[in-house]
Amino acid sequence: RKEVEQDPGPFNVPEGATVAFNCTYSNSASQSFFWYRQDCRKEPKLLMSVYSSGNEDGRFTAQLNRASQYISLLIRDSKLSDSATYLCVVNLGDTGFQKLVFGTGTRLLVSP
Amino acid sequence: DGGITQSPKYLFRKEGQNVTLSCEQNLNHDAMYWYRQDPGQGLRLIYYSQIVNDFQKGDIAEGYSVSREKKESFPLTVTSAQKNPTAFYLCASSIRLGAMNTEAFFGQGTRLTVV
Repeated sequence: RKEVEQDPGPFNVPEGATVAFNCTYSNSASQSFFWYRQDCRKEPKLLMSVYSSGNEDGRFTAQLNRASQYISLLIRDSKLSDSATYLCVVNLGDTGFQKLVFGTGTRLLVSP
Repeated sequence: DGGITQSPKYLFRKEGQNVTLSCEQNLNHDAMYWYRQDPGQGLRLIYYSQIVNDFQKGDIAEGYSVSREKKESFPLTVTSAQKNPTAFYLCASSIRLGAMNTEAFFGQGTRLTVV
């Protein structure tokens, strides 16, 4: 089983739609979680961290479910500019070190 | 401005040659990482380093080597032993100890092509 798994998509949605991605991780000792956004042929950039209590940043909401070992990203009112690949990232290390593991990404295409 | 810089942006290598990719950061981060990304694929960890003079193999270390002589620098050498080196290489850094939710910051990447 892969350490971090995502549905590769693509998810094709119209502008204004709500879309959700899930990501599962295999190591129950994982410490921290992130969503990154990667545009075509560019480096990944942090979208948001994922906190145990869930967190929201504008149109984006991230949730963590430790019992089921998955994190989710919800995007409301999709914009054309949201088209990108969204990478789930899990820190498999403990407080002594970090090992960041990336999922393969979920591609989102928002159309007019 | 603080950040992480990779060079060169594009690199062409002849088969059988070793090449070194540069990665420098001025964020005072302890941890540094090298990832490889192939078209349509996710990032795969090559090597990572938590402190100076220490580094660990990632999932695909064969055919690569690294050094960490300075906190700011983590160069990656792609050796002739790497059978399929054409890829997009990304360097990242993050704070190592004590902090929760310590995200990684990426350089702009180096596209390596074997000709």
